[in-house]
Amino acid sequence: GAGVSQSPSNKVTEKGKDVELRCDPISGHTALYWYRQSLGQGLEFLIYFQGNSAPDKSGLPSDRFSAERTGGSVSTLTIQRTQQEDSAVYLCASSRDYYSNQPQHFGDGTRLSIL
Amino acid sequence: AQSVSQHNHHVILSEAASLELGCNYSYGGTVNLFWYVQYPGQHLQLLLKYFSGDPLVKGIKGFEAEFIKSKFSFNLRKPSVQWSDTAEYFCAVNSHNAGNMLTFGGGTRLMVKP
Repeated sequence: GAGVSQSPSNKVTEKGKDVELRCDPISGHTALYWYRQSLGQGLEFLIYFQGNSAPDKSGLPSDRFSAERTGGSVSTLTIQRTQQEDSAVYLCASSRDYYSNQPQHFGDGTRLSIL
Repeated sequence: AQSVSQHNHHVILSEAASLELGCNYSYGGTVNLFWYVQYPGQHLQLLLKYFSGDPLVKGIKGFEAEFIKSKFSFNLRKPSVQWSDTAEYFCAVNSHNAGNMLTFGGGTRLMVKP
Protein backbone atom coordinates (compact mmCIF):
# COMPACT_ATOMS: atom_id res chain seq x y z
CA GLY A 1 0.00 0.00 0.00
CA ALA A 2 0.89 3.65 -0.13
CA GLY A 3 1.52 4.04 3.57
CA VAL A 4 1.76 2.23 6.87
CA SER A 5 -1.56 0.65 7.74
CA GLN A 6 -2.64 -0.13 11.30
CA SER A 7 -5.69 -1.96 12.54
CA PRO A 8 -7.93 -1.60 14.34
CA SER A 9 -8.01 2.19 14.45
CA ASN A 10 -9.80 2.09 17.78
CA LYS A 11 -10.07 -0.67 20.36
CA VAL A 12 -12.03 -0.58 23.59
CA THR A 13 -11.70 -3.55 25.88
CA GLU A 14 -12.13 -4.56 29.47
CA LYS A 15 -9.29 -4.77 31.91
CA GLY A 16 -7.77 -8.24 31.93
CA LYS A 17 -8.51 -9.06 28.30
CA ASP A 18 -5.84 -9.69 25.69
CA VAL A 19 -5.55 -7.42 22.66
CA GLU A 20 -3.72 -7.77 19.37
CA LEU A 21 -2.70 -4.77 17.29
CA ARG A 22 -1.67 -5.11 13.68
CA CYS A 23 0.75 -3.14 11.51
CA ASP A 24 1.25 -3.51 7.78
CA PRO A 25 4.38 -1.57 6.74
CA ILE A 26 5.18 0.09 3.45
CA SER A 27 6.05 -2.54 0.87
CA GLY A 28 9.79 -3.16 0.73
CA HIS A 29 10.53 -1.63 4.13
CA THR A 30 12.54 -4.11 6.14
CA ALA A 31 12.55 -2.12 9.39
CA LEU A 32 9.42 -1.79 11.50
CA TYR A 33 8.97 0.09 14.78
CA TRP A 34 6.36 0.23 17.51
CA TYR A 35 5.86 3.32 19.67
CA ARG A 36 3.35 4.25 22.33
CA GLN A 37 1.88 7.72 22.70
CA SER A 38 0.41 8.22 26.16
CA LEU A 39 -1.30 11.29 27.52
CA GLY A 40 1.29 13.37 29.29
CA GLN A 41 4.18 11.04 28.40
CA GLY A 42 4.86 11.76 24.77
CA LEU A 43 6.11 9.14 22.36
CA GLU A 44 7.83 6.12 23.82
CA PHE A 45 9.81 3.60 21.77
CA LEU A 46 8.77 -0.01 22.37
CA ILE A 47 10.50 -2.35 19.92
CA TYR A 48 11.89 -2.57 16.41
CA PHE A 49 12.24 -5.31 13.84
CA GLN A 50 14.86 -5.65 11.15
CA GLY A 51 13.31 -8.28 8.95
CA ASN A 52 11.69 -10.77 11.30
CA SER A 53 14.23 -10.23 14.06
CA ALA A 54 13.72 -8.06 17.15
CA PRO A 55 17.21 -7.81 18.69
CA ASP A 56 16.24 -5.59 21.63
CA LYS A 57 13.05 -6.08 23.60
CA SER A 58 14.05 -3.95 26.55
CA GLY A 59 11.71 -1.12 25.54
CA LEU A 60 8.61 -3.21 26.09
CA PRO A 61 6.93 -1.95 29.30
CA SER A 62 6.33 -5.38 30.86
CA ASP A 63 6.29 -9.09 30.08
CA ARG A 64 2.60 -8.74 29.20
CA PHE A 65 3.74 -7.10 25.96
CA SER A 66 5.05 -9.12 23.05
CA ALA A 67 5.53 -8.52 19.34
CA GLU A 68 6.21 -10.64 16.35
CA ARG A 69 6.76 -10.20 12.67
CA THR A 70 6.50 -12.95 10.13
CA GLY A 71 7.45 -12.96 6.48
CA GLY A 72 9.26 -9.65 6.89
CA SER A 73 6.01 -7.78 6.55
CA VAL A 74 3.05 -7.60 8.94
CA SER A 75 3.72 -7.24 12.63
CA THR A 76 1.45 -7.80 15.60
CA LEU A 77 1.80 -6.28 19.04
CA THR A 78 0.03 -8.32 21.70
CA ILE A 79 -0.86 -7.10 25.16
CA GLN A 80 -1.97 -9.79 27.58
CA ARG A 81 -4.10 -9.18 30.67
CA THR A 82 -4.54 -5.51 29.81
CA GLN A 83 -4.38 -2.87 32.53
CA GLN A 84 -5.78 0.64 32.53
CA GLU A 85 -2.29 2.11 32.23
CA ASP A 86 -2.00 0.39 28.84
CA SER A 87 -4.50 2.91 27.44
CA ALA A 88 -2.65 4.87 24.77
CA VAL A 89 -2.23 5.32 21.05
CA TYR A 90 0.05 2.64 19.66
CA LEU A 91 1.97 3.83 16.61
CA CYS A 92 3.76 1.76 14.04
CA ALA A 93 6.40 3.07 11.64
CA SER A 94 8.54 1.56 8.94
CA SER A 95 11.70 2.51 7.07
CA ARG A 96 13.84 1.05 4.29
CA ASP A 97 16.07 -0.62 6.84
CA TYR A 98 17.30 -0.05 10.36
CA TYR A 99 20.86 1.10 9.70
CA SER A 100 20.68 3.44 6.73
CA ASN A 101 19.18 6.50 8.49
CA GLN A 102 16.17 6.53 6.22
CA PRO A 103 13.19 8.46 7.63
CA GLN A 104 10.47 6.56 9.38
CA HIS A 105 6.94 6.66 7.99
CA PHE A 106 4.18 6.43 10.56
CA GLY A 107 0.74 4.88 10.50
CA ASP A 108 -2.40 6.48 11.92
CA GLY A 109 -2.12 4.46 15.12
CA THR A 110 -4.45 2.30 17.17
CA ARG A 111 -6.20 4.10 20.01
CA LEU A 112 -6.51 1.56 22.82
CA SER A 113 -8.85 2.22 25.71
CA ILE A 114 -8.96 -0.12 28.68
CA LEU A 115 -12.11 0.13 30.78
CA ALA B 1 20.96 7.11 27.06
CA GLN B 2 19.52 9.73 24.78
CA SER B 3 16.93 12.24 25.90
CA VAL B 4 15.13 15.09 24.17
CA SER B 5 13.57 18.12 25.82
CA GLN B 6 11.00 20.41 24.33
CA HIS B 7 10.53 23.27 26.73
CA ASN B 8 7.34 24.72 25.30
CA HIS B 9 4.40 22.40 25.84
CA HIS B 10 1.75 24.76 24.50
CA VAL B 11 2.22 27.75 22.21
CA ILE B 12 -0.52 30.08 21.01
CA LEU B 13 0.22 32.52 18.20
CA SER B 14 -1.69 34.78 15.88
CA GLU B 15 -1.39 34.32 12.15
CA ALA B 16 1.70 35.95 10.64
CA ALA B 17 3.60 35.77 13.93
CA SER B 18 7.04 34.21 13.92
CA LEU B 19 7.57 30.80 15.48
CA GLU B 20 10.47 29.25 17.30
CA LEU B 21 10.11 25.94 19.12
CA GLY B 22 12.95 24.83 21.30
CA CYS B 23 14.54 21.39 21.25
CA ASN B 24 17.55 20.26 23.27
CA TYR B 25 18.98 16.79 23.34
CA SER B 26 21.34 14.90 25.55
CA TYR B 27 23.68 12.37 23.96
CA GLY B 28 27.42 11.89 23.97
CA GLY B 29 27.85 10.82 20.38
CA THR B 30 26.92 12.00 16.91
CA VAL B 31 23.22 12.28 16.32
CA ASN B 32 20.69 12.66 13.55
CA LEU B 33 17.92 15.16 14.31
CA PHE B 34 14.33 15.33 13.16
CA TRP B 35 11.19 17.38 13.50
CA TYR B 36 7.87 15.60 13.00
CA VAL B 37 4.44 17.20 12.86
CA GLN B 38 1.07 15.71 13.71
CA TYR B 39 -1.90 17.66 12.33
CA PRO B 40 -5.26 17.06 14.03
CA GLY B 41 -6.55 13.62 13.12
CA GLN B 42 -3.54 12.77 10.99
CA HIS B 43 -0.45 10.64 11.37
CA LEU B 44 3.03 11.87 12.19
CA GLN B 45 4.80 13.38 9.21
CA LEU B 46 8.43 14.30 8.77
CA LEU B 47 8.98 18.08 8.57
CA LEU B 48 12.75 18.10 8.21
CA LYS B 49 15.88 16.23 9.20
CA TYR B 50 19.55 16.87 9.83
CA PHE B 51 22.23 14.25 9.29
CA SER B 52 25.34 16.27 8.44
CA GLY B 53 26.55 19.29 6.49
CA ASP B 54 24.87 22.70 6.58
CA PRO B 55 23.46 23.10 10.09
CA LEU B 56 20.57 25.19 8.77
CA VAL B 57 18.03 22.76 7.38
CA LYS B 58 15.01 23.73 5.34
CA GLY B 59 11.92 21.56 5.40
CA ILE B 60 8.43 21.53 4.01
CA LYS B 61 5.84 24.30 4.38
CA GLY B 62 8.42 27.02 5.05
CA PHE B 63 9.86 25.47 8.21
CA GLU B 64 13.55 25.46 9.00
CA ALA B 65 15.70 24.31 11.89
CA GLU B 66 19.22 25.09 12.98
CA PHE B 67 21.55 22.57 14.57
CA ILE B 68 23.82 24.25 17.12
CA LYS B 69 26.20 21.55 18.28
CA SER B 70 27.67 23.58 21.13
CA LYS B 71 24.20 24.07 22.60
CA PHE B 72 22.89 20.58 21.81
CA SER B 73 19.93 22.32 20.21
CA PHE B 74 17.82 21.92 17.10
CA ASN B 75 15.20 24.66 17.26
CA LEU B 76 12.38 24.81 14.73
CA ARG B 77 11.49 28.14 13.15
CA LYS B 78 9.00 29.63 10.74
CA PRO B 79 8.95 33.36 9.92
CA SER B 80 5.18 33.66 9.53
CA VAL B 81 2.74 31.03 10.76
CA GLN B 82 -0.64 30.22 9.28
CA TRP B 83 -3.78 28.84 10.85
CA SER B 84 -3.06 25.56 9.03
CA ASP B 85 0.14 25.17 11.06
CA THR B 86 -1.97 24.30 14.10
CA ALA B 87 -0.60 20.91 15.11
CA GLU B 88 1.64 19.09 17.56
CA TYR B 89 5.35 19.22 16.83
CA PHE B 90 7.84 16.60 17.96
CA CYS B 91 11.61 16.81 18.00
CA ALA B 92 13.44 13.47 17.76
CA VAL B 93 16.98 12.12 17.66
CA ASN B 94 18.75 8.90 16.87
CA SER B 95 22.35 7.84 16.96
CA HIS B 96 24.32 8.39 13.80
CA ASN B 97 25.21 5.04 12.26
CA ALA B 98 23.91 3.13 15.25
CA GLY B 99 20.39 2.30 14.28
CA ASN B 100 17.20 4.09 13.47
CA MET B 101 15.36 3.96 16.80
CA LEU B 102 14.00 7.43 17.55
CA THR B 103 13.91 9.15 20.90
CA PHE B 104 11.19 11.79 20.93
CA GLY B 105 10.67 14.92 22.93
CA GLY B 106 7.39 15.46 24.75
CA GLY B 107 5.90 17.49 21.92
CA THR B 108 4.69 21.08 21.59
CA ARG B 109 1.08 21.86 20.82
CA LEU B 110 0.87 24.91 18.57
CA MET B 111 -2.40 26.75 18.13
CA VAL B 112 -2.52 29.51 15.54
CA LYS B 113 -5.42 31.90 15.90
CA PRO B 114 -6.90 33.17 12.63
